[in-house]
Amino acid sequence: EPEVTQTPSHQVTQMGQEVILRCVPISNHLYFYWYRQILGQKVEFLVSFYNNEISEKSEIFDDQFSVERPDGSNFTLKIRSTKLEDSAMYFCASSEGDRAYEQYFGPGTRLTVT
Amino acid sequence: DQQVKQNSPSLSVQEGRISILNCDYTNSMFDYFLWYKKYPAEGPTFLISISSIKDKNEDGRFTVFLNKSAKHLSLHIVPSQPGDSAVYFCAARNNAGNMLTFGGGTRLMVKP
Repeated sequence: EPEVTQTPSHQVTQMGQEVILRCVPISNHLYFYWYRQILGQKVEFLVSFYNNEISEKSEIFDDQFSVERPDGSNFTLKIRSTKLEDSAMYFCASSEGDRAYEQYFGPGTRLTVT
Repeated sequence: DQQVKQNSPSLSVQEGRISILNCDYTNSMFDYFLWYKKYPAEGPTFLISISSIKDKNEDGRFTVFLNKSAKHLSLHIVPSQPGDSAVYFCAARNNAGNMLTFGGGTRLMVKP
């Protein structure tokens, strides 16, 4: 069964450094998303991406964040200058065109900012 | 942000019995509701969804009920199995886009 994959599974970085989290969505899906879950808190929406542009973003997704689909398979989240409070699990998700509400999640990347 | 709320942090059920997980919401603009299951160190796994114009959707052992007037939905798992032990999240989509708003989760423990 097709699945969303994410790399790396765990990333440790120092405050102020840039990180890029990578995702390979399900191949025939058209919508791509990033969510995060800070330890002990709810899963929170960050951004959605469709037709090579951001279609929605939350208040969390400020100028420090950016997304890109550099080729036909990868979808990346970049955090330009990490802060301690960016430590969280970051989940990539994707969905089809017809049932865009049914989002399929990857296993997550645990980001630890020290 | 309390638009989607799961008031029970945990639930313990005997194998073979019914598990009922509950979720409440406040936003009338939600048009689809979803349930996800999550194991530790994994991402949420989609289980079942329901449109706001329906009141029931069934898929195998999983049934979701929606009471729109009460802004309440529930997930029934019958019969419960030990492999169902996980955290269950309720999520809702706003009809203005595809963003999902999640509840805080309920940890289900199914005892053999």
